[in-house]
Amino acid sequence: EVLLVESGGGLVQPGGSLRLSCVASGFIFNSYSMNWVRRAPGKGLEWISYVSSSSNTIYYADSVRGRFTISRDNAKNSLFLEMNSLRAEDTAVYYCAKYQTGATSFDHWGQGTLVTVSS
Amino acid sequence: QAVLTQPPSVSAAPGQKVTISCSGTSSNIEFNSVSWYQHLPGSAPKLLIFDNSQRPSGIPDRFSGSKSGTSATLDIAGVQSGDEADYYCGTWDTSLNIVWVFGGGTKLTVL
Repeated sequence: EVLLVESGGGLVQPGGSLRLSCVASGFIFNSYSMNWVRRAPGKGLEWISYVSSSSNTIYYADSVRGRFTISRDNAKNSLFLEMNSLRAEDTAVYYCAKYQTGATSFDHWGQGTLVTVSS
Repeated sequence: QAVLTQPPSVSAAPGQKVTISCSGTSSNIEFNSVSWYQHLPGSAPKLLIFDNSQRPSGIPDRFSGSKSGTSATLDIAGVQSGDEADYYCGTWDTSLNIVWVFGGGTKLTVL
């Protein structure tokens, strides 16, 4: 069974930093690309970032480019999101999602971790 | 404002059929596969449709998808109360940078 478990969320002040983690199990982690997606209160799903299986290819949404950094540690089956210069509009539940290359879709998702940016 | 356009809400009585549209452009839907997701806040989003019309194992055949040109459609037949959720289309967009885009989401209300 595929399992994705996010952690690291919490309350942070505007301008602060936070590092999210996602631990994967139930599949060969180093064979799959991964993503971060968020959902802000009252808003829809927003894709944040993509990293290929070997970290050779990385994409970011315009809203976070230059502030957020995606990375992965295949030896530890882990995905990360380093978030800097946080703003109130970054408040959201953050999900990690496994990417199914052949099916061009996010086939498994975690339960999410809440990030609240507020003073 | 989302790159892919969906109606904010749709409603249907139990047993009826509902259609959710997703409108895009030649930079996204026309030349890329579309997927559809169901999301209840507080839970993990769920993949319903991939590659425009394919269902993952475990997804009932009440859910079907299609694509034509720059638009895609999700049909839900025999709507049930448990289908009340938010639905999103998604695909790659290559207009400037390569980014994944979701529609704005459609809230399905079961009457």
